[in-house]
Amino acid sequence: QVQVVESGGGVVQPGGSLRVSCTASGFSFSTFGMHWVRQAPGKGLEWVAHMSFDGRNQWYADSVKGRFTISRDSAKNTVFLQMNSLRDEDTAMYFCSRDSNWSFDYWGQGTLVTVSS
Amino acid sequence: QSALTQPASVSGSPGQALTISCTGTSSDVGGYNRVSWYQQHPGKAPKLMIFAVNNRPSGVSNRFSGSKSGNTASLTISGLQAEDEADYYCSSYATSNHWVFGGGTKLTVL
Repeated sequence: QVQVVESGGGVVQPGGSLRVSCTASGFSFSTFGMHWVRQAPGKGLEWVAHMSFDGRNQWYADSVKGRFTISRDSAKNTVFLQMNSLRDEDTAMYFCSRDSNWSFDYWGQGTLVTVSS
Repeated sequence: QSALTQPASVSGSPGQALTISCTGTSSDVGGYNRVSWYQQHPGKAPKLMIFAVNNRPSGVSNRFSGSKSGNTASLTISGLQAEDEADYYCSSYATSNHWVFGGGTKLTVL
């Protein structure tokens, strides 16, 4: 069955960096685009970034552009989100999701990133 | 890109039907048939309920249906059940290779 599992969350100081990972299984990873979506505590969902199936295209929300980088390693069925210059407002649960028909069809349980001094 | 507009809350009694609206612009909802809907129970990951405006993934109850008119999409839930109580989010692909979510609607089953 299709599964995506996030990892790498934690507590980081403002201005710091963190890389979160998402490992997929149960489907042909190299044929699907992948997304990162976040949810601040008690708030709604916010799309963060997308990488195309072949890794050629990356698209970002304006709120993270220039600070976050999405990448993928098809040999390891893993997508990454490198987060630099972290701010208080980046505190959130970060979900990884598979793209299908322009929607987010499978989600992981998320990894919590807390930006705090 | 601004968030899509959803009502903050809706409520209904078991067995009733209700509709949640999702209003965007011609740059997102109105411009593409790429609207999707998600159900999220507390502490859980979101679950895809509708994709491409009115398509249900395998395993999703046919009590859930979607539609779109102009810049507004809608999710209709018929035969409301206690287990439907959750937060619901719409999403749309938007111009310039972005995706945007609605602010979310809390559904209460009375």
